[in-house]
Amino acid sequence: AQSVTQLDSHVSVSEGTPVLLRCNYSSSYSPSLFWYVQHPNKGLQLLLKYTSAATLVKGINGFEAEFKKSETSFHLTKPSAHMSDAAEYFCVVSESGTYKYIFGTGTRLKVLA
Amino acid sequence: KAGVTQTPRYLIKTRGQQVTLSCSPISGHRSVSWYQQTPGQGLQFLFEYFSETQRNKGNFPGRFSGRQFSNSRSEMNVSTLELGDSALYLCASTFGRGQETQYFGPGTRLLVL
Repeated sequence: AQSVTQLDSHVSVSEGTPVLLRCNYSSSYSPSLFWYVQHPNKGLQLLLKYTSAATLVKGINGFEAEFKKSETSFHLTKPSAHMSDAAEYFCVVSESGTYKYIFGTGTRLKVLA
Repeated sequence: KAGVTQTPRYLIKTRGQQVTLSCSPISGHRSVSWYQQTPGQGLQFLFEYFSETQRNKGNFPGRFSGRQFSNSRSEMNVSTLELGDSALYLCASTFGRGQETQYFGPGTRLLVL
């Protein structure tokens, strides 16, 4: 069965410092993995998607994530946080053949001036 | 190409009433999924429609129902509203089925008094 765990419910960083949002997944078959961002009272916006083409995935707004099969992780990173990055981030897994998307519980990112 | 649209954006109802929410997917997309988002429960999957047929269903009571039309537009209906139904209802569309990127609408904020 597929599942996803976001290891931190809240992360605080200072503006200009690196961001690391952690996600571990469980999947029996070739998973697709996604990161979405949600700003207050908005829908979810896709940041990036992993589909087995390349383990390092680059997304929008300077975000990237690395798929590590041995660690079953798909952590989201950004070299330098901006105030506009303050939002909630969701890691999502979809397993081949299930037609289902499993959402993590979200990580709320706070960026301090 | 226009994104996913949801109407209405905000809604206030009283307990016992019913409500219908609408979702128009991205042009050409044939799958529509609905999610309920609350602070306590996070994002929960309601159901998925593809080619006018419900393909997947989450763990919600029968008061929650939906349908999809031939133009892929979808509606969800909640009958006999309860206070706990207050939430942000999100709709997402994909071109087909199976590990595709979901594109989310801005959501409908429902408040039940």
